[in-house]
This record gives sequence, C-alpha cells and structure tokens, in this order.
Amino acid sequence: KAGVTQTPRYLIKTRGQQVTLSCSPISGHRSVSWYQQTPGQGLQFLFEYFSETQRNKGNFPGRFSGRQFSNSRSEMNVSTLELGDSALYLCASSLARGAGETQYFGPGTRLLVL
Amino acid sequence: SQQGEEDPQALSIQEGENATMNCSYKTSINNLQWYRQNSGRGLVHLILIRSNEREKHSGRLRVTLDTSKKSSSLLITASRAADTASYFCAPSNQAGTALIFGKGTTLSVSS
Repeated sequence: KAGVTQTPRYLIKTRGQQVTLSCSPISGHRSVSWYQQTPGQGLQFLFEYFSETQRNKGNFPGRFSGRQFSNSRSEMNVSTLELGDSALYLCASSLARGAGETQYFGPGTRLLVL
Repeated sequence: SQQGEEDPQALSIQEGENATMNCSYKTSINNLQWYRQNSGRGLVHLILIRSNEREKHSGRLRVTLDTSKKSSSLLITASRAADTASYFCAPSNQAGTALIFGKGTTLSVSS
C-alpha cells in the first residue's frame, strides 16, 4: 500500500498570502489529522477530519481551516500568512477515529513565510 | 485529550549503549504509543502498549508501562547511529479524542 502523501513538499510564500496544502491518506483510512511543528512550540495538533466532518480542533486561529473530501483526501488552508506560520505541516491518517489508533504520517510540507 | 511529557529532553550516547527515555502522563489511559521522528521527516509509529500490558517488545525496543505511576519507558538496546531521532509518547484515554504529542526526547547516537 502506498503511504500518506503530502503535496507540495516545500513552499515559499510571503506575508499576507494564503496557502493550501494537500494530504492523501493511506487507501482505506478515513481519519486525517493535521499537525504543525515548529522548533519553539513543538508538534501541535491542528484538526482532525473523519467522514468529511471536522471532529476535533486544536487551539489555532480561524486563519487555519481544512476540509476532507469523499475520498478521504484532505486539504488545509492558511489565509493571511504570518511569519510565525513558517513550519513543517504534517498530516497523519488512521483507519478509524480515536487517539488510540495508530497514526501513519506523511513526510510533511515545509512552509517558509517571508 | 491528554499529553505525555518525555524525559530527558535530550540524550547523547555512544553506539552500542542502551538508551532509556521516559514518559509521564496525568490521567488514566487506555493505551500509550511511542513514535520516532528523524530530522525534518514525518513521525513513524514504533509501538503501542495497552493499559493492561506491563511490557512489550519489538526488535531492539522494549516498552514498559506502569499505570500506578502513570509512566512509561522506552528502552533501545545496542543503539546505532541510525537511532538518532526524536522520540515522542502519546497517551490515549478515550476514543474520539485527538492524539497530542509532547516535546519529545532527542536522542543522539555517535559512533
């Protein structure tokens, strides 16, 4: 089975722009979670989607949003980019919902905001 | 959701030595997972231990769980340079909640 894929792998944007990141889960996985990782804050949970519905949300401003499609692929969008949004964005998929499920991570999208 | 706290924050050892890292959490759990992250890459699942298990092995990895102390430990035996990575624990206490990660332990294995 193919693993979790994320596109693009690297991205450079300027302040004020918006960005859309994509995640394709492992085939058959229905839950997709997104994380932001920075040197200062570590690995922070953004949100989780299951069956096209957001099920959990972390403590991030409304500029961060996401969605999930019927084929379980997910996108996250960040509007009005700030310098502090520079980070590695990771998505993870699992067969079912629940923190006890093994999560399979993609390689990440590294976003640099100038 | 609950978060584990890994200790120590950083660990440096020589190849061939054993590495032990610990995880503490605050409330009762159903299971606890350990993940590894090589620099700048995605996390890789290592092992899951359930609350009714005390010890679990996977290759050179040994995980213990002490629910009375609300702690877990990950032992890597005969470390190799390729074990250099950050290690995260993720305790889980109920279905439907998000997996929250701590700051992790950064392990450096030198040859």
